[in-house]
Amino acid sequence: DQQVKQNSPSLSVQEGRISILNCDYTNSMFDYFLWYKKYPAEGPTFLISISSIKDKNEDGRFTVFLNKSAKHLSLHIVPSQPGDSAVYFCAASQGAQKLVFGQGTRLTINP
Amino acid sequence: DADVTQTPRNRITKTGKRIMLECSQTKGHDRMYWYRQDPGLGLRLIYYSFDVKDINKGEISDGYSVSRQAQAKFSLSLESAIPNQTALYFCATSDLGDVGSYNEQFFGPGTRLTVL
Repeated sequence: DQQVKQNSPSLSVQEGRISILNCDYTNSMFDYFLWYKKYPAEGPTFLISISSIKDKNEDGRFTVFLNKSAKHLSLHIVPSQPGDSAVYFCAASQGAQKLVFGQGTRLTINP
Repeated sequence: DADVTQTPRNRITKTGKRIMLECSQTKGHDRMYWYRQDPGLGLRLIYYSFDVKDINKGEISDGYSVSRQAQAKFSLSLESAIPNQTALYFCATSDLGDVGSYNEQFFGPGTRLTVL
């Protein structure tokens, strides 16, 4: 039972445009959501997070939106840069416990 | 120097062999985790430990065991490796946060394991 789902295995975006990565979850008890970024031959690195008491969190070019009623979150990258090409994982947590990860979306930024 | 290190980085072994993957951290974190990554399945939790005396199973612990030798060391063992354990394995650490807060996990570079 996949509690966190990223239904798009890949996404291709032109440099300078907006990248939107989506994530759905099924467990209404999740109260913290995160995005991790992974380059080849490296471990995932934390990108941005959001608590369930908020619906938006921004950090520079990265914004995460949370829609609790739809059990959906999204990551917006504006403007997209070649260095953003990576695999992005969303993850969710219930309390300060372990994370549940989605399958990942491979983002490719084209020049 | 890397805060979370994993050894070996790559390993090829045969079915039935015992394999140990090691993880060390210099971040001083209490919590450590082992994940495996498979194409199309994301990262799945194998085992986790919230302190030296605490070991917990994750969602896919069958066929694996762990040992928390010290705060800084957490090893993963495959007692008798099988081909469907071929995957990328990651160790991660996190701090013990305040009640109700969340502390991000820091990942090692991964170990690519192939079981023939």
